[in-house]
This record gives sequence, C-alpha cells and structure tokens, in this order.
Amino acid sequence: DVKVTQSSRYLVKRTGEKVFLECVQDMDHENMFWYRQDPGLGLRLIYFSYDVKMKEKGDIPEGYSVSREKKERFSLILESASTNQTSMYLCASLPSGRGKYNEQFFGPGTRLTVL
Amino acid sequence: AQSVTQLDSHVSVSEGTPVLLRCNYSSSYSPSLFWYVQHPNKGLQLLLKYTSAATLVKGINGFEAEFKKSETSFHLTKPSAHMSDAAEYFCVVSDLGGTSYGKLTFGQGTILTVHP
Repeated sequence: DVKVTQSSRYLVKRTGEKVFLECVQDMDHENMFWYRQDPGLGLRLIYFSYDVKMKEKGDIPEGYSVSREKKERFSLILESASTNQTSMYLCASLPSGRGKYNEQFFGPGTRLTVL
Repeated sequence: AQSVTQLDSHVSVSEGTPVLLRCNYSSSYSPSLFWYVQHPNKGLQLLLKYTSAATLVKGINGFEAEFKKSETSFHLTKPSAHMSDAAEYFCVVSDLGGTSYGKLTFGQGTILTVHP
C-alpha cells in the first residue's frame, strides 16, 4: 500500500513565524502536491512538484513556498505565518504514466492554527 | 477549464435507506472523474473512479456512480446506508488540461449524516 505521511497532525504557531510542513511518500512517485482544505471550499492546490527540485504554482500559491530536495519528501513553507493561513493542509503523491487516470494518494493532513 | 459542483452541502439519511450524492462537472477535455471520502480526522480515501472504460462504476463499500455525459453528471449512490458511511464526500474531475499529469479540481464537499 502507498503510504503518505505528514510530520504533524496538529500545529499551533504565532503570526509571523516561519512554518515548515513535511510530507514523505514511500512509493517512489514522481509527482507530489500540497493542498489546503477549508469548509465549503473543498481542496485547493497550493503547489506541486513533478520531479526533484522542480516545482510549479497551483491555484493559491501566495504566502507559500515549497522545497523538494529528495524524491520522497516535499515540504511546504509558510515564510511568515498569518491568521488567514489557519487551515487543514493535505499532501498527496501521484505516479507518472496514464496521466489523468491515476488517482492521487493523500496523507492524513496537518491542521494548522495561526494565532 | 474544468469545474465541479456538488449540489448538496449536507445530506441526511436513515440507516438502511438509499444514498444519493449529486455531482455535476464541466471540462474542456474528456475527463476522468473520482469520488473520495474523508472520515473525521482522516485523510482522503478513493471510493471509485471513472476512466471511460464503463459508464457505471462500482467502488468500495457498496458505492457506485454513473457517468452521464449528456447530463454532465457523476452522481454517487448506495442502496442502503450504514452508520459507518457518515463522512464528507468529494467529487473530483481530472483532465490533462495541457499538463502531463491529471490536474484535479475538487467539488466543495457533501457531508453525509446517517441516523439510526
């Protein structure tokens, strides 16, 4: 079974802090994604990466950056956390090949609260 | 461009009665469609997916969905609800949209409540 793990289930930070959210997958997938989930809005894509050191902006990248130094690990960085970044953050991975037919595999999520 | 609309934000049923969660989509390409489920404090789990092989798709836990191109719909059904079905359900569309992978667009989610 594919396993996607996220470093924290719950995180509380203060406004202005630098925040790192870590995601690791164990299935050698090329593609990895960061989403945020808010009630009534579904999931929205923040950033994705299709290879080591490669990244592309998603639909809502403002206030976030990412890092992918190793294939299995994809980090989301909040350079200066703000209260409107309080949310649930979900990481996902996806194998290459078969394009749109592949489903993404999701981690359990990190619920971040910024005070 | 692609989009997904889940027509109900909340659905409430009694245990043992049928479940219907409605989803309409739009896509510029021939899409794939998915239903994911999220139980409280858990990650998203794939229920089923449509990949053009068959219009009626069977998934896990007795769920199924029918792709209707003329109606641009992909409604999720189950003949008899179980208490363990209580969760949030997401309809998702995926098309290439000029990328080499499937870009996912999520619906807003439907919270299913099951009463004893």
